[in-house]
Amino acid sequence: GDSVTQTEGQVTVSESKSLIINCTYSATSIGYPNLFWYVRYPGEGLQLLLKVITAGQKGSSRGFEATYNKEATSFHLQKASVQESDSAVYYCALSGGADRLTFGKGTQLIIQP
Amino acid sequence: AQTIHQWPVAEIKAVGSPLSLGCTIKGKSSPNLYWYWQATGGTLQQLFYSITVGQVESVVQLNLSASRPKDDQFILSTEKLLLSHSGFYLCAWSPGQNQAPLFGEGTRLSVL
Repeated sequence: GDSVTQTEGQVTVSESKSLIINCTYSATSIGYPNLFWYVRYPGEGLQLLLKVITAGQKGSSRGFEATYNKEATSFHLQKASVQESDSAVYYCALSGGADRLTFGKGTQLIIQP
Repeated sequence: AQTIHQWPVAEIKAVGSPLSLGCTIKGKSSPNLYWYWQATGGTLQQLFYSITVGQVESVVQLNLSASRPKDDQFILSTEKLLLSHSGFYLCAWSPGQNQAPLFGEGTRLSVL
């Protein structure tokens, strides 16, 4: 079946430093899955951060970027300069066949002032 | 604007007791609807999806059932809770297949 592997556990970054959260996927149900990053801020629900549905394209939102790399089967999340308000749990996900969304385990981002 | 509302926000239930969780979507006709579940420390898993009233597809077997009695309503239930049912339940909707689902606030369930 489909699977998503992302940077596990916690990532701690100092404010204004750069961030990368790795995400790789395996899509057996569909050749070109749609790829997503979701975020859950403390005390809030799960929100869509960005999505990319075409291989080779880049999605961006709130200063975050992710590029759909089909050759590497990757969709890493990056930000050039993080802020304290970026502290949250980030989930990589893919949309495969049969209207199914497969998530990674989530990465908790902690920003150090 | 579309809104999604889940109820209750949290539940504490005894093993063997029944459960009913609900979800309502307003502002969108004929949405695709989904139930997801996350055990503590686990991965978000899709449990059910529905593309139309009265039709529900099961994705993962967890001794739970789902129903869609109305276009805008999705219900998750069981007659007998297990300890393993504890976790966080999320309802979601999307305008069509393979569109990014948008999630409700979730229900935290503790089975004791």
